[in-house]
Amino acid sequence: GAGVSQSPSNKVTEKGKDVELRCDPISGHTALYWYRQSLGQGLEFLIYFQGNSAPDKSGLPSDRFSAERTGGSVSTLTIQRTQQEDSAVYLCASSSFGGQVYTFGSGTRLTVV
Amino acid sequence: GNSVTQMEGPVTLSEEAFLTINCTYTATGYPSLFWYVQYPGEGLQLLLKATKADDKGSNKGFEATYRKETTSFHLEKGSVQVSDSAVYFCALSVYHGAQKLVFGQGTRLTINP
Repeated sequence: GAGVSQSPSNKVTEKGKDVELRCDPISGHTALYWYRQSLGQGLEFLIYFQGNSAPDKSGLPSDRFSAERTGGSVSTLTIQRTQQEDSAVYLCASSSFGGQVYTFGSGTRLTVV
Repeated sequence: GNSVTQMEGPVTLSEEAFLTINCTYTATGYPSLFWYVQYPGEGLQLLLKATKADDKGSNKGFEATYRKETTSFHLEKGSVQVSDSAVYFCALSVYHGAQKLVFGQGTRLTINP
């Protein structure tokens, strides 16, 4: 597509429930990144996919967080047993192979109540 | 490790004022440096970048010069406009099999008419 698409744009969930966040990157971009932006804080790296290589999961904050990327395109970030501290804006970005410039989606604002 | 420290906000200026947002970095290796901007209600977008020492990135009247000796990449604009109100993020990337961006905490800029 023309840009990076994320859905839903907003999600309110009850503590303890699981949520899935979706990212549709730019067509042809082999690299895909997930970041988290908490209120008043910078962007925190979560996970990175590059082609068929094993993902870099070094930023995932706990084992409740996981992500997959099917067919080298769409990615889903799953948060199990959500906690209030998971409330944040989750941003997805994609880039071409070795590309330094990321294109970001508009994010999913997650609120855990 | 790699890290970025930028000037704490919020920053409030009057229209046509001179702007400086400070950014310093720590990196293993030779980083590329970026400024990203997030306008209200929009996703992050690249504002400018520099890939080697003494390079100057520029866009929309904003400039930043890659200073290796001071490990800095300060953002400047000679005359700000109300439309420049946004959150500005300094970032670096060092290639280690991937161009993973490390962001500063962001600086919120408000320009009053």
